[in-house]
Amino acid sequence: QQQVKQSPQSLIVQKGGISIINCAYENTAFDYFPWYQQFPGKGPALLIAIRPDVSEKKEGRFTISFNKSAKQFSLHIMDSQPGDSATYFCAASHFGNEKLTFGTGTRLTIIP
Amino acid sequence: EAGVTQSPTHLIKTRGQQVTLRCSPISGHTSVYWYQQALGLGLQFLLWYDEGEERNRGNFPPRFSGRQFPNYSSELNVNALELEDSALYLCASSRGWGRRESGYTFGSGTRLTVV
Repeated sequence: QQQVKQSPQSLIVQKGGISIINCAYENTAFDYFPWYQQFPGKGPALLIAIRPDVSEKKEGRFTISFNKSAKQFSLHIMDSQPGDSATYFCAASHFGNEKLTFGTGTRLTIIP
Repeated sequence: EAGVTQSPTHLIKTRGQQVTLRCSPISGHTSVYWYQQALGLGLQFLLWYDEGEERNRGNFPPRFSGRQFPNYSSELNVNALELEDSALYLCASSRGWGRRESGYTFGSGTRLTVV
């Protein structure tokens, strides 16, 4: 059972534009939602994370928006740059179970 | 600070063989997680070890097993390899149970090819 659904599978954005990746979850026990960034040949790296008691968290050009009632959260990358080209994974976990359940990933390409 | 190290980086095995993958966590991290990243399938949770104990395992057959040593390093063993076991195997570490928001740190993975 896939518990975190991620879309789109791939995304092409022009340099300077806004990249938006969406995730939806099913398990209402989830209470921690990180995003990971993965470059080719590397393991994923933690980008930003949010808990459901806040609706938005911003770190630099990266913002997570969280909608608890809809069980959805999204990553917004402002002023997207070619260096942001990577695969992005959303994930979720709940207290007492440290494992992360990942979405299937979004391959983001920023074109000049 | 050294990151999570995995060995070997690449491996080619024949169907039916057995393989052992190794992971050294960041110093001070007591939890180790194993994930399988097959093409197009995202990261699938395999195993979680904390303080030497298996805390959780994913929906994989028993031929996937592992252990964690007193120094918190870990091994993942896969017996009776099948073609569909070909994937990138990622190890991650964290500061331990109850400290998940400190984040996982992933290694660069072991690329396993089964022929």
